[in-house]
Amino acid sequence: DIVMTQSPDSLAVSLGERATINCKSSRSVLYSSNNKDHLTWYQQKPGQPPKLLIYWASNRESGVPDRFSGSGSGTDFTLTISNVQAEDVAVYYCQQYYSTPYTFGQGTKLEIK
Amino acid sequence: QVYLVQSGAEVRKPGSSVKVSCKASGGTFNSDAIAWVRQAPGQGLEWMGGIIPRYGTTNYAQKFQDRGTITADDSTYTAYMELSSLRSEDTAVYYCATGSRVTTGQYYFHHWGQGTLVTVSS
Repeated sequence: DIVMTQSPDSLAVSLGERATINCKSSRSVLYSSNNKDHLTWYQQKPGQPPKLLIYWASNRESGVPDRFSGSGSGTDFTLTISNVQAEDVAVYYCQQYYSTPYTFGQGTKLEIK
Repeated sequence: QVYLVQSGAEVRKPGSSVKVSCKASGGTFNSDAIAWVRQAPGQGLEWMGGIIPRYGTTNYAQKFQDRGTITADDSTYTAYMELSSLRSEDTAVYYCATGSRVTTGQYYFHHWGQGTLVTVSS
């Protein structure tokens, strides 16, 4: 199984500042056949199901604010939240869909300082 | 837009089984994959397995290979996840999610059900 490791486990940022969450996979999730990284980012607020933010490592899902961006390739990925808002308080998860089981990172909790 | 509506909360005794349903409405069902993911209290997300309803093919994480059964009924756009030999560690919220197939044959998951709390307690 591919192991996904996120860092940090939690972070606190001030409103309007930038938050950076990292995700590392135990092996590459880049498919050579289509040259795409099979990685998604989800946001989960308390009592709610996960919400898809990013797919193909850097494509924003429809309706997701452009302050959310994804980057990286191969084994190292980053979710950046620019201009953090109060409503961004949540736990963020990366997930690989390169091969089953589609494993998740352990999650990163974002709080407001 | 696909909406997934899951069955209600369940309480089960250790050693028993539970079957959770997930009904898709408002869009295509049988061309997608349905995945099941669980979340123990205060913990992260754990992928259990999935099914491609059109073909009935399933795939399970090794941890759930022996106790989990995922099925789907094309005619009612409903998927099911049954977990047997329940133990206290199976207490969790169980989510279904529907995914789009990509060119590599893999899936990523757009839409999630609201979750079903399963409590295992004597």
